[in-house]
Parts: sequence; C-alpha cells; structure tokens
Amino acid sequence: DADVTQTPRNRITKTGKRIMLECSQTKGHDRMYWYRQDPGLGLRLIYYSFDVKDINKGEISDGYSVSRQAQAKFSLSLESAIPNQTALYFCATSDQPSTPDTQYFGPGTRLTVL
Amino acid sequence: KQEVTQIPAALSVPEGENLVLNCSFTDSAIYNLQWFRQDPGKGLTSLLLIQSSQREQTSGRLNASLDKSSGRSTLYIAASQPGDSATYLCAARTLGRLYFGRGTQLTVWP
Repeated sequence: DADVTQTPRNRITKTGKRIMLECSQTKGHDRMYWYRQDPGLGLRLIYYSFDVKDINKGEISDGYSVSRQAQAKFSLSLESAIPNQTALYFCATSDQPSTPDTQYFGPGTRLTVL
Repeated sequence: KQEVTQIPAALSVPEGENLVLNCSFTDSAIYNLQWFRQDPGKGLTSLLLIQSSQREQTSGRLNASLDKSSGRSTLYIAASQPGDSATYLCAARTLGRLYFGRGTQLTVWP
C-alpha cells in the first residue's frame, strides 16, 4: 500500500461548490503539506502543518482552508470553488526532526472547476 | 522570497547521452536542495537531497552537485535511457519550506 494516499484522484465540480480533498499517510510523519501545480509552473505551497495543533499558511492560501484531524490526516477544503483553482493538488509529508528531511508525495488529485 | 529557476524547460535526446539539468536559486541561505522526478499522472519521487554543507550526492547514474555561493545546482544523468523520460524538478528548502522550479521535461528516445 502507498505511504501517502489522496482521495479523490480526480474531481470535476462547478463554480461555487464546496470541495474537500483528503490526505492520509502511514509513514508516521509529523509534518504534512498541501501544494498545487499548474501547467508549466512549479509546485506552490498552500498550507502546511508541523503537528496536529500547528497550521500555517503557505504562499497561496487565499480561497483554501485546512484541517489536521490527526497525525495521519490532513484535509484541504475549497469553500467556494472557482475556475482558477483548477489544478493538480499534491499532499506531502516529512519527518521532524529529521535528516535529511525528505518530503514524500502522494499521487495527486486532479481538480477541475467548471 | 526564494525563487528557483530551471534550465532548460525541455530536453529531447537519444538514448545513451550524458545530460546536465540546471537549477538556480536566488537566496543562498538554503537548508538543502532536492531533486525530484515526476511521471505523468503520478506524484513526485525524491531522487537526491543535498544538505547545505555538502557539495554533491550520487545515486546510481545520477549525480547532483550544489554550489551555494553561486546559487546553483546541477543534476547529471549518465548514459540516459528511455525510462529516464519524465519531468525533473528541483526544490530549495528555505525557512522550513520547499520552493520549486518549474521543471525540465526530459524525453529520451531509443
């Protein structure tokens, strides 16, 4: 089984709908991250969490919210989806404290907002 | 803010060639530099991680170097194979976050 799983893998929704993307990990890592990737662009950080009680905004948090339900679960919500949130979304985890602090990525969720 | 640039954006080569992918970053105060591989429809796979105190890391046919003072890293792929075809991303870790480049899309043809 994969160490980092994301559900759903694909989602098509309409403008204004509320959407939740879920991430689960079995690696036992404290740190979890949500990124989005747009065609031709690098990954950009949306939110990150260093433990269950710690939530931090990334570069592009506007229009998104997150919930860290447990060490193993980190959800990303779009309260009212808009077309420019169409992108590939990745969840990642890393251990802390840790050397070398490698991040491990899920397979991604492709979201289309019509 | 850290900015990461990768050159070239795309590369197409015949099998067997040795390749160099380039990554540059604007803030030299990095904790580490990572190279990832991304296959279509899949997530990112970490290839190599170079700590700020290191100069290079090697794994099989891959060698990554880091020059913090000049803000550059290179990924060297020896004897390229069609299975190396993918997008390669570099990411600089600064202040607890990873900043990604846009990637180099590599195609190795038989």
